[in-house]
Amino acid sequence: GNSVTQMEGPVTLSEEAFLTINCTYTATGYPSLFWYVQYPGEGLQLLLKATKADDKGSNKGFEATYRKETTSFHLEKGSVQVSDSAVYFCALYTNAGKSTFGDGTTLTVKP
Amino acid sequence: IAGITQAPTSQILAAGRRMTLRCTQDMRHNAMYWYRQDLGLGLRLIHYSNTAGTTGKGEVPDGYSVSRANTDDFPLTLASAVPSQTSVYFCASSLTSGGANEQFFGPGTRLTVL
Repeated sequence: GNSVTQMEGPVTLSEEAFLTINCTYTATGYPSLFWYVQYPGEGLQLLLKATKADDKGSNKGFEATYRKETTSFHLEKGSVQVSDSAVYFCALYTNAGKSTFGDGTTLTVKP
Repeated sequence: IAGITQAPTSQILAAGRRMTLRCTQDMRHNAMYWYRQDLGLGLRLIHYSNTAGTTGKGEVPDGYSVSRANTDDFPLTLASAVPSQTSVYFCASSLTSGGANEQFFGPGTRLTVL
């Protein structure tokens, strides 16, 4: 079956630090890959996505590139802010309508 | 209504009781989903529906049932709740079940089964 493995948290960074959250996947076929963000007490929101190999998704300073050769979709941001503190989920969807989420990585950014 | 709503926001339930979690979307999305979120386990798909009138089983369907009588509503029923069903439940929808479509999530229902 499909699976998503995320870097274990929690991750604590100082403001303006560089962020990487690793995500690797296993899947049959050609999945689409997503990063979602969850702020405290809220549901998940789409952060960015990539639908085919070598695509780069970007939003709000976050980026991730779909690497088929390494089956990875690592999330990066060059300079984090306190407001980026949240839980980040990597996910894959297949055309069969099945979705698989990672366990989530909690990020805390300190001023 | 804007987007996707869930009710109740939270509930404490005695074991053995029946409970229905409600989910409504006004985006005319064809596909809808129910997930449970547990600490350290991420989100796990319970049931899904690719279009009104059809449903399918996800990763953890046991003890839950769903129906999809129309496009907007996708209720989740626990026929006889057990403590292991204590969790936060999220409903989501997407335009279609195709792989490129993002899912829109509701605010969640926090359920405690005693």
